Amino acid sequence: DIVMTQSPLSLPVTPGEPASISCSSSQSLLYSNEYNYLDWYLQKPGQSPQLLIYLGSNRASGVPDRFSGSGSGTDFTLKISRVEADDVGVYYCMQGLQIPHTFGQGTKLELK
Amino acid sequence: EVQLEESGGGLVQPGGSLRLSCAGSGFTLSSHWIHWVRQAPGKGLVWVSRIYSDGSVTNYADSVKGRFTISRDNAKNTVHLQMNSLRAEDTAVYYCVRGGNYFDYWGQGTLVTVSS
Repeated sequence: DIVMTQSPLSLPVTPGEPASISCSSSQSLLYSNEYNYLDWYLQKPGQSPQLLIYLGSNRASGVPDRFSGSGSGTDFTLKISRVEADDVGVYYCMQGLQIPHTFGQGTKLELK
Repeated sequence: EVQLEESGGGLVQPGGSLRLSCAGSGFTLSSHWIHWVRQAPGKGLVWVSRIYSDGSVTNYADSVKGRFTISRDNAKNTVHLQMNSLRAEDTAVYYCVRGGNYFDYWGQGTLVTVSS
């Protein structure tokens, strides 16, 4: 199975400041079609997870452009340009390349 | 509006069975992979199973293989997860999720508690 590792696991951020979460995979997520099968999800408190970024760098419908995804192969980053109160929750990366799909441990973003 | 609604969760004794259902609306369920993802209390997300649009392909996590069976009834826009030989470690919220290689819509989840 592909192991997904996130850092940090806890991320206190001052509103208006940027934030960054890293995700690494034990195998390359770059497929022959040149897509990276890496997605980012946010689970807000008491809610179901929601898709933020798919295929490495594509924002899902309705996701603010404050969110961006980058990286290729085994190393990926989710960046929030200016954190807002609504961004609080747990962020997960997930690989969609192989079965079983596997998630990172989650990064809990909270406001300072 | 695309919606997925799970049902069928509840309290069951170890060794017992439950059948979860996922009803889709606002889209054609028969055109999509459907997955089940679970989340134990206070823990992270774990992929459980998936079924292809026409039901011809199914996959399972090793932890549930041989005990869980995923199926679908496209005429009723429904996917099911039959869970047998349940264990305490199967206790979790089970989410029904739409998607192929990424999950664009999630249901609200249904809680399964395995306890005596």
